[in-house]
Amino acid sequence: SQTIHQWPATLVQPVGSPLSLECTVEGTSNPNLYWYRQAAGRGLQLLFYSVGIGQISSEVPQNLSASRPQDRQFILSSKKLLLSDSGFYLCAWSQGLAGGVTDTQYFGPGTRLTVL
Amino acid sequence: EDQVTQSPEALRLQEGESSSLNCSYTVSGLRGLFWYRQDPGKGPEFLFTLYSAGEEKEKERLKATLTKKESFLHITAPKPEDSATYLCAVQAYNQGGKLIFGQGTELSVKP
Repeated sequence: SQTIHQWPATLVQPVGSPLSLECTVEGTSNPNLYWYRQAAGRGLQLLFYSVGIGQISSEVPQNLSASRPQDRQFILSSKKLLLSDSGFYLCAWSQGLAGGVTDTQYFGPGTRLTVL
Repeated sequence: EDQVTQSPEALRLQEGESSSLNCSYTVSGLRGLFWYRQDPGKGPEFLFTLYSAGEEKEKERLKATLTKKESFLHITAPKPEDSATYLCAVQAYNQGGKLIFGQGTELSVKP
């Protein structure tokens, strides 16, 4: 079965500091990978998605960047955090649409980021 | 523009009191509608996918239905462990695998 991991689980960082959040998936190959941010209002905002190694699409221009150095590894980064970067960050994976009707996304446990 | 609206924002029920959550959507070509459950501080957990109007799916006390404009999540005789935020999302044919989420309904079931 497939498993998705995220770390750290919680993070408190000062404004202006760098950020690196990691997501890894086990039990599947060539997954689509996604980064979301969820603010206090509960809605999920798609930040980045990737359909393969080195292929990153950005949905919202902002202070963050993403990279996919390996097939099942997705990293969310920032050079200098802003107060507005605080939130709950979720990674998700899916198998892709190849031949399928829909593409179900499965979420990781999330990282709670607080920027002070 | 593709859009998903969930109502109510919050719902408080007594144990055993059945009710429904609504998800209204506007999308140019629906590939699928998804329901997720999210417990506080955790990632969303997949519940159902609905593909076409008239379709229904059930899991324990939950039943999801779909029309051309909205989906309902019916909760029959809820228990306190059903308390969570329920998220609805749509996937459109012209958007690949991307999901557009509603804001969610926070359900609280009191014993």
